[in-house]
Amino acid sequence: DAGVIQSPRHEVTEMGQEVTLRCKPISGHNSLFWYRQTMMRGLELLIYFNNNVPIDDSGMPEDRFSAKMPNASFSTLKIQPSEPRDSAVYFCASSLVLAGLYEQYFGPGTRLTVT
Amino acid sequence: AQTVTQSQPEMSVQEAETVTLSCTYDTSESNYYLFWYKQPPSRQMILVIRQEAYKQQNATENRFSVNFQKAAKSFSLKISDSQLGDTAMYFCAFMKPGNEKLTFGTGTRLTIIP
Repeated sequence: DAGVIQSPRHEVTEMGQEVTLRCKPISGHNSLFWYRQTMMRGLELLIYFNNNVPIDDSGMPEDRFSAKMPNASFSTLKIQPSEPRDSAVYFCASSLVLAGLYEQYFGPGTRLTVT
Repeated sequence: AQTVTQSQPEMSVQEAETVTLSCTYDTSESNYYLFWYKQPPSRQMILVIRQEAYKQQNATENRFSVNFQKAAKSFSLKISDSQLGDTAMYFCAFMKPGNEKLTFGTGTRLTIIP
């Protein structure tokens, strides 16, 4: 059974460019999460969706960041324009809330470097 | 807002020994969930163990167990018979039902010494 799939695994871009990160959740899961991991701020939630609807986007840093979930099997996180301070590892996770189980399964992450 | 504190930035232990990682949290909620995640050098986040606050019994998963002290707001992870593959960053995390947001601690880097 495939886990959460993220692409690309590594991305290097120049400041000012648009960056799109992609995520395919585990089939059947109905919640999807985008997290960012940096040395300074640790792991922090950016946004999460339930049944393709954004529920909590309070962690999205600013208008340069946007996330979409057009269907149950795909989500994107876009940064436009990118800045060096956006360099981080971005994780996508998915879960199926069932009988009180709230286990989130993480993808391998995308390491973003903005120069 | 909930906060999660891991006061041990780094720990090391000899292979086959037992090690305990500390985690405390602050919340006004009575019902919530607590998790330990492992992040090995591959950086994949792996769920180790989960505890529901309404359950008095401590969760156990093979060599991993927790000591959940609700009144003290403490949630420590014990790893028995430690193995080289246990070398990783360990993150404690909190979740409030109704909002699936995970709030993570800063992590403890655990090294198992051969």
